[in-house]
Amino acid sequence: EVQLVESGGGLVQPGGSLRLSCAGTGFTFSAYTINWVRQAPGKGLEWVSCISGSTNVIYYADSVKGRFTISRDNAKNSLSLQMNSLRDEDTAVYYCARVRGLLTDSWFDAWGQGTVVTVSS
Amino acid sequence: QSVLTQPPSASGTPGQRVTISCSGSSSNIGSCAVNWYQQPPGTAPRLLIYTNNQRPSGVPDRFSGSKSGTSASLAISGLLSEDEADYYCAAWDDSLNGWVFGGGTKLTVL
Repeated sequence: EVQLVESGGGLVQPGGSLRLSCAGTGFTFSAYTINWVRQAPGKGLEWVSCISGSTNVIYYADSVKGRFTISRDNAKNSLSLQMNSLRDEDTAVYYCARVRGLLTDSWFDAWGQGTVVTVSS
Repeated sequence: QSVLTQPPSASGTPGQRVTISCSGSSSNIGSCAVNWYQQPPGTAPRLLIYTNNQRPSGVPDRFSGSKSGTSASLAISGLLSEDEADYYCAAWDDSLNGWVFGGGTKLTVL
């Protein structure tokens, strides 16, 4: 069974840092691009960042570019999101999601349960 | 403000057919495939439709998707109370180099 499990969420002050992790099981982790998608309280889904299986392709949403860094360790079947200079508007549930297909015809076929990040003083 | 535009709400009675629209532009829906996700209250999203009109295994054929030009739509026939959820369209955007989502449509089964 394909499973993605996020961890690392919590309460952090504005300007602070937090590192999220996503563990993948039940599939060949290194073969898949993985995304981070977030959802602010009462709001819709927002794509944050993605990293290809080989780590040579990385994209960020403009809203997090320069503040967030995505990385992965395929030997440990693990994905990370280092979040720096956090703002109130980064408060959200953060999901990791597996990508299938190629960019212009791609979809997220497996999602984790999410981890909550709260940015507040 | 979401890049893809969806109506904020939709409703129907059990057994009815409802459709949810999703409008985009040439850089996303106009040139890339559309996907739909279902998110019941308090749960993670799940894939409902991929590549415009394909259903993953386990998704009932009551759900169907279509795309024309820069717009797409999700149709749900034989509405059930368990279909009450938020629905999101999504696509890759060639100009933004990232995925874009609609703002979501809250479906209420009356």
